[in-house]
Amino acid sequence: NAGVTQTPKFQVLKTGQSMTLQCAQDMNHEYMSWYRQDPGMGLRLIHYSVGAGITDQGEVPNGYNVSRSTTEDFPLRLLSAAPSQTSVYFCASRSGGISTDTQYFGPGTRLTVL
Amino acid sequence: AQSVAQPEDQVNVAEGNPLTVKCTYSVSGNPYLFWYVQYPNRGLQFLLKYITGDNLVKGSYGFEAEFNKSQTSFHLKKPSALVSDSALYFCAVRDINRGSTLGRLYFGRGTQLTVWP
Repeated sequence: NAGVTQTPKFQVLKTGQSMTLQCAQDMNHEYMSWYRQDPGMGLRLIHYSVGAGITDQGEVPNGYNVSRSTTEDFPLRLLSAAPSQTSVYFCASRSGGISTDTQYFGPGTRLTVL
Repeated sequence: AQSVAQPEDQVNVAEGNPLTVKCTYSVSGNPYLFWYVQYPNRGLQFLLKYITGDNLVKGSYGFEAEFNKSQTSFHLKKPSALVSDSALYFCAVRDINRGSTLGRLYFGRGTQLTVWP
């Protein structure tokens, strides 16, 4: 049981480049989400999904796209990277609904946009 | 809207002393509250949660948290700090109200705990 996995661990992009951050979980969780972590700002929700085929925006969705074709995978796409997207990105998953269940986090992807 | 506040950016304690990391919350309805810890270059790890019941919640690594409804607080505590407890701690609240934000988790800004030998 690997939990929540993320790839890559580190990435450097040039402004305007595109890339996809991968996230996968093997716990059959319905609810998956992407956060970004910036110093002094805690974690902010980018996008989330309550199940395969269903996604919605969080607090800071601009510049990011997501899709959820399977229960296991929830990739985050940067269409045209900007320096403001330099951050650490975390994927998380938990059981669905307003569940009291714990949210599990991946190890993170550290992204630098030059 | 749901929110949590962590009033201290940093907390420094000596090993063996008790520690407290503060958290206050603002919610409509009953709060679902969580504490997470982040070690350097790692993801967040769950410590404990309050959903209902006993106001004193016990969690991982000897941590506990006290829920206080009248003061809208959920402070994290440990009777005797260890150097290995040094990390970044986040308080969070889950939105359980019907609407577009149902199920979301809102985080505080984090408190850096340093325990010196």
